[in-house]
Amino acid sequence: AQKVTQAQTEISVVEKEDVTLDCVYETRDTTYYLFWYKQPPSGELVFLIRRNSFDEQNEISGRYSWNFQKSTSSFNFTITASQVVDSAVYFCALRNTGNQFYFGTGTSLTVIP
Amino acid sequence: GAGVSQTPSNKVTEKGKYVELRCDPISGHTALYWYRQSLGQGPEFLIYFQGTGAADDSGLPNDRFFAVRPEGSVSTLKIQRTERGDSAVYLCASSLRAGTSEAFFGQGTRLTVV
Repeated sequence: AQKVTQAQTEISVVEKEDVTLDCVYETRDTTYYLFWYKQPPSGELVFLIRRNSFDEQNEISGRYSWNFQKSTSSFNFTITASQVVDSAVYFCALRNTGNQFYFGTGTSLTVIP
Repeated sequence: GAGVSQTPSNKVTEKGKYVELRCDPISGHTALYWYRQSLGQGPEFLIYFQGTGAADDSGLPNDRFFAVRPEGSVSTLKIQRTERGDSAVYLCASSLRAGTSEAFFGQGTRLTVV
């Protein structure tokens, strides 16, 4: 069975603070892909990153960074120096070899100016 | 267009009616997905097409739901005898090919059954 858990339902931070969004996944597949998507109020899911199960190298893209740890089945997402435009719902997702995406329930991030 | 396009953006229908939701994927994308998102929840898988055929329809909740992609491009999600519980945002996504590509999502169709 595949499952993605985002334990943080809502997070509020003050602008310029760093924030980490947690994601824990479950799968029996040895080959899988992990994703983060951003959903602003407009509703469209915006792709942020994809990571395959064989690549545990962490990645940094501007103010965004991702920490993938297979030992703890976690794929956490950190925003450094948060901005108001970062306010959105963020979804972590798992895609298995069957090509289905399994999404977590999302974390609603509010950045307060 | 440049992205995945879904029409209509909003649909209000009466209980028991039939509705069709349309998805135009990114040109050249062979894989197409339909998801349903209820308020406060993550998207829930419905069906996935590879080309014209439904490769996996295990997420369709019951036989009132059906989807087609006759020419391997545009897809239509069809819901018969709509119920109030069908109210949700229906999201469509496409990817260049199945397996490794990220999926690009449309803005969704908000369906309200009254």
